[in-house]
Amino acid sequence: DIQMTQSPSSLSASVGERVTLTCRTSQTIPRYLNWYQQKPGEAPKLLVYLASNLHYGVPSRFSGGGSGTDFTLTISSLQPEDFATYYCQQTYSTPWTFGQGTKVEI
Amino acid sequence: QVTLRESGPALVKPTQTLTLTCTFSGFSLTTKRMCVSWIRQPPGKALEWLARIDWDDDRYYSTSLKTRLTISKDTSKNQVVLTMTNMGPEDTATYYCARTQPHTSGGYYSFYLDFWGQGTPVTVSS
Repeated sequence: DIQMTQSPSSLSASVGERVTLTCRTSQTIPRYLNWYQQKPGEAPKLLVYLASNLHYGVPSRFSGGGSGTDFTLTISSLQPEDFATYYCQQTYSTPWTFGQGTKVEI
Repeated sequence: QVTLRESGPALVKPTQTLTLTCTFSGFSLTTKRMCVSWIRQPPGKALEWLARIDWDDDRYYSTSLKTRLTISKDTSKNQVVLTMTNMGPEDTATYYCARTQPHTSGGYYSFYLDFWGQGTPVTVSS
């Protein structure tokens, strides 16, 4: 199985800050990487697919990058509604796997 | 409008078999390349992908759970069913189903989970 490692596991930031989350995979997955946002008590929501494609309706302050084994999710200017946990997921090969999440806190 | 809803028992006893149903609308599993996945999340922990069933009845499972899982579909009812045998306390989690949409872009053929159910909590306890 492909292992996913997200860093940091949590971070504290302020509104307006630029933050970058990292996801590393145990083997190369070209660009088969999705990002999801999850708020407490809610189901995850798709943010980015194929490493850098924003899903419909996702604000442009979110951007995804990377390829191979190293990927990033950047929020250019953190907004109050962005405080949540973010997960990466690889869909290069089954079984698909998720990272352990990065919690973005105030 | 795409919606998914999970249903099943909230409490199961150790060693019992769990059966969960995902009832969906707004799309069809007879559509070429469409899929549905199951994912779970233990309290306070990360998401774990469990299984996927495709329009053509191909099935894929988590490596660690594949001996205990069965996924199936009933296209006439727009339902996907997940069964998990020999439940234990470590299986306590919220279980989600999600539409799994294929996508082709720049030479890549991939999938993403674009619509999720609200999740159904399952506790394993005697």
